[in-house]
Amino acid sequence: AQKITQTQPGMFVQEKEAVTLDCTYDTSDPSYGLFWYKQPSSGEMIFLIYQGSYDQQNATEGRYSLNFQKARKSANLVISASQLGDSAMYFCAMREPYGGSQGNLIFGKGTKLSVKP
Amino acid sequence: EPEVTQTPSHQVTQMGQEVILRCVPISNHLYFYWYRQILGQKVEFLVSFYNNEISEKSEIFDDQFSVERPDGSNFTLKIRSTKLEDSAMYFCASSTRGQAVTDTQYFGPGTRLTVL
Repeated sequence: AQKITQTQPGMFVQEKEAVTLDCTYDTSDPSYGLFWYKQPSSGEMIFLIYQGSYDQQNATEGRYSLNFQKARKSANLVISASQLGDSAMYFCAMREPYGGSQGNLIFGKGTKLSVKP
Repeated sequence: EPEVTQTPSHQVTQMGQEVILRCVPISNHLYFYWYRQILGQKVEFLVSFYNNEISEKSEIFDDQFSVERPDGSNFTLKIRSTKLEDSAMYFCASSTRGQAVTDTQYFGPGTRLTVL
């Protein structure tokens, strides 16, 4: 079973508009973290935002916010006022406890966002 | 702002050759990771490293792979005898508090390995 599901392989958004990138996750552990990374065409992975499973409020970081719906196991990324430089692949990822070390990130397949001028 | 660096940015090698990918994690970070991304696919975990030993490894990380922290700054991934299917982007990452679920891993720019 997929741990992280990103159902939108590609999305288009008009410059200056907001866009929501979907992410659902699967875990039975009560303690986990959710992360979003951006991967421009140059290839690097840029950390954007995280949400802890026990956080009461949705995370925000500048133009990025996370719409965290725990009961639905979704952690959608909202980008407000899209810019041309936002065109990139976006990956949702999760960390969950593994034995004594809460280690690796599990990634979704990504969503390719294209911002139109 | 401190960042993870990786060298080389691109490595081309012949099948069966050994390669060493190098990473310099962020200086006050204690936990180090390698991930790989085959072209067009999702990022996959390879191995995590703490206190000079492997913490966790995936099934991808077989006997052909090894990691080392040869000095106080470098963190290396060695592939002993490369195969065509090892062609991928390899990312190094580091973090401060690997034991915490919400500990953030910061990634380097990646090394694109091409095996011919």
